[in-house]
This record gives sequence, structure tokens and C-alpha cells, in this order.
Amino acid sequence: DIQMTQTPSTLSASVGDRVTITCRASQSIITWLAWFQQRPGKAPNLLIYRASTLESGVPSRFSGSGSETEFTLTISSLQPDDFATYYCQQYRSYPETFGQGTKVEIK
Amino acid sequence: QVQLVQSGAEVKKPGASVKISCVASGFTFSKYYMHWVRQAPGQGLEWMGIINPSGDTTTYSQKFQGRVTMTRDTSTSTVYMELSSLRSEDTAVYYCTKSREGACDYWGQGTLVTVSS
Repeated sequence: DIQMTQTPSTLSASVGDRVTITCRASQSIITWLAWFQQRPGKAPNLLIYRASTLESGVPSRFSGSGSETEFTLTISSLQPDDFATYYCQQYRSYPETFGQGTKVEIK
Repeated sequence: QVQLVQSGAEVKKPGASVKISCVASGFTFSKYYMHWVRQAPGQGLEWMGIINPSGDTTTYSQKFQGRVTMTRDTSTSTVYMELSSLRSEDTAVYYCTKSREGACDYWGQGTLVTVSS
């Protein structure tokens, strides 16, 4: 199975901050990577797919980059709505696997 | 608009089975793969498996092999996930998701399954 390692597991930031979350794959997944946002008690919401393609309706302050084994999700200017948990997911091969999540908290 | 509406919460005893339904609307159901993902309380997301558009091919995570069955009914645009031999560790919220080019673009609201004696 491909292991996905997200860092950090928790991140404290303020409104307006630039935030970066990293996801590393244990082997190459090319660009078969998605990022999700999950608020408490809600289903995950797709933000980015194919590592860098913004899902329709997602604010442009979210961006994704990377390939092979190293990927980043960047929020250019953190907004109050963005305090949530973020997950990466590889869909290069089965079983599809998720990172353990990064909780973005208010500083 | 795309909607995935799942069946309601379930409480089961250890050793029992549970079958969750997910009714799709707003897209051509017969053209898309569907996944199931679960999330234990306070934990991360765990992929369980996928079913192809025609329903004749499934791929399950090895973790659930032998205990999980995914099926779909095109006539009612419904996908099902049945998990057997339940144990307390199966207590989780279970999500169906629609796949677009491999990525899970729409999710159901989740179904809480509680396994308790």
C-alpha cells in the first residue's frame, strides 16, 4: 500500500496568514493526488485534484502543487471559513489511501 | 445538482451485519464509479473500496476483504455497502462518494454505524 504522510498534524495560524501543508507519498503517485477540507460533523469537500487542479467553486486562495512523491496545499490568505481539517489522498493505485490529516486552528 | 443521500444511523451488535444505501441524483449514475470511505470517531478517513459503473467489478481494501460487499442498482440509482461480522472497531461514519476521473468529487452526508453490545 502507498503510505501518505502529512505534515504538520496541527497548524496554528491567524486570519490573513499564508499556510502550507505538505503530503509525501511512499512511492511515486505521479499527480494522482487530491486535497479535501473537512469541517466538524460534515463530509469532506474536494478542493484540488490531479495535484494542482482547483475544483469548481473552490476559492482561488487554495492552490496545490507537486508531483511524484511530494505535494503541497497552500492557502494564500487564511479566512475564518478555512479553519478545518485537511486531508490528502492518493488515487494512483488501490487501495486508495489518505494522509492522517492536518488540523488548522486559530492562533 | 448532484446529491448523494444515505440511509439513516444504525446500531448493531457485534457479529451482526449492516447494509447502507446511497441514492444518487443529478448525474448519470450509470456512468460513474462509486467509492465508500469511513471515518472512526475522532480519526481520519479510510478508503474501503470502489464499484464500477455497471456494478460487475469491485475492488476492496484488503482490510475489509471477505467482510464487505458493494453493489449498485442502476434502476434506482442506488449504491449499497454491506459490512458483516461487525466489531466495535467498525463504529464509524460511512460515506459514499462519486468518482470523477478518480477523485471523490461528491460525498453523501454520512451514515453513523455504532457497534455495541
